[in-house]
Amino acid sequence: GAGVSQSPRYKVAKRGQDVALRCDPISGHVSLFWYQQALGQGPEFLTYFQNEAQLDKSGLPSDRFFAERPEGSVSTLKIQRTQQEDSAVYLCASSLVYDTQYFGPGTRLTVL
Amino acid sequence: GQQVMQIPQYQHVQEGEDFTTYCNSSTTLSNIQWYKQRPGGHPVFLIQLVKSGEVKKQKRLTFQFGEAKKNSSLHITATQTTDVGTYFCAGQWGAQKLVFGQGTRLTINP
Repeated sequence: GAGVSQSPRYKVAKRGQDVALRCDPISGHVSLFWYQQALGQGPEFLTYFQNEAQLDKSGLPSDRFFAERPEGSVSTLKIQRTQQEDSAVYLCASSLVYDTQYFGPGTRLTVL
Repeated sequence: GQQVMQIPQYQHVQEGEDFTTYCNSSTTLSNIQWYKQRPGGHPVFLIQLVKSGEVKKQKRLTFQFGEAKKNSSLHITATQTTDVGTYFCAGQWGAQKLVFGQGTRLTINP
């Protein structure tokens, strides 16, 4: 009965470093979403998987952002050469197909 | 593009007063969902509205979906300190991704 888990919960990176953020969805959830939430704003869609297939990556802000879900379960969001504007909370959500999205606690990324 | 506008951005009320937040889309939505995010927390699903003119209630919370499926509102009657947080609407247009409004941050004076 565990919910969506994300790790790490907090990440501090120096500008130019690469980071990898992990999401463990609810067991059995086919759909997995990544959102970015800047301070004081609503979450913004980044990308979406159905099983291992990345069906929508229209929200990824640049080619420095890459997401994968190779076995249709755990997903990793990778950001290369981090910039200060990448500082935000990265939220993962999972769901059954066309069902309620359940959000994880997020990873707060701070780029110095 | 697909956008959801939400107002007001902030609302401060005395405990016991009512609270309302409004969302509007320029295009017809498939459905609209409401989430609550406590300070330092993550969005928690409250409800989904699908039908034109739909009204749903959860205790002191009343959710409405407009006849044209372009606007929605959340009304809280007699606020309590436990209602503090940011309320987001999120729209869907057939695809699975959610497009969130900017949120309304509710603070309450006890």
